[in-house]
Amino acid sequence: DQQVKQNSPSLSVQEGRISILNCDYTNSMFDYFLWYKKYPAEGPTFLISISSIKDKNEDGRFTVFLNKSAKHLSLHIVPSQPGDSAVYFCAGGSGGTSYGKLTFGQGTILTVHP
Amino acid sequence: DTGVSQNPRHKITKRGQNVTFRCDPISEHNRLYWYRQTLGQGPEFLTYFQNEAQLEKSRLLSDRFSAERPKGSFSTLEIQRTEQGDSAMYLCASSLQGDGPQHFGDGTRLSIL
Repeated sequence: DQQVKQNSPSLSVQEGRISILNCDYTNSMFDYFLWYKKYPAEGPTFLISISSIKDKNEDGRFTVFLNKSAKHLSLHIVPSQPGDSAVYFCAGGSGGTSYGKLTFGQGTILTVHP
Repeated sequence: DTGVSQNPRHKITKRGQNVTFRCDPISEHNRLYWYRQTLGQGPEFLTYFQNEAQLEKSRLLSDRFSAERPKGSFSTLEIQRTEQGDSAMYLCASSLQGDGPQHFGDGTRLSIL
């Protein structure tokens, strides 16, 4: 039972353009969502999060949008930079502000071309 | 902030052997998590501790797996009688309860010959 799905295994974008990474979930109990970035041979690095009571959260070049009725979230990166090339994971969690265990999607490989 | 530290970075062992991994969390973090990641998949939750108490274990954690956090600081994950299917990246993360996301270490890659 895949509770979090990232249906695009890869995405290729030109430098300076927008990257949009998508994520769908089935577990209605999730009350917050996070995006992580992972470079080869390193652990995941936290990027941005959003509470289920919000529909948008922005941090610099990164914006996460949440559509609860569609059980869908997306990460927008504007403008995209070559250093953004990595694997991006979305994750859902429950437990309010206690940030309990996370359920991850399979990841999307983002390649930003100069 | 020295980050989450995991040792060893890579472990190669023969099937049937026991292995133990260590995780040192960020010093002030009271929660510690273990995840397993296989190729092409996202991390899968195994277990987590709040201080020294193990609060939740996934059904992925068979009887051959045991995790400890005896003094509420570092944690160990032991796998007994390793099998081919145990080959994976084992990730540790830590967080401060009620404040902020989980921060991950760089993982221990386990290879079973």
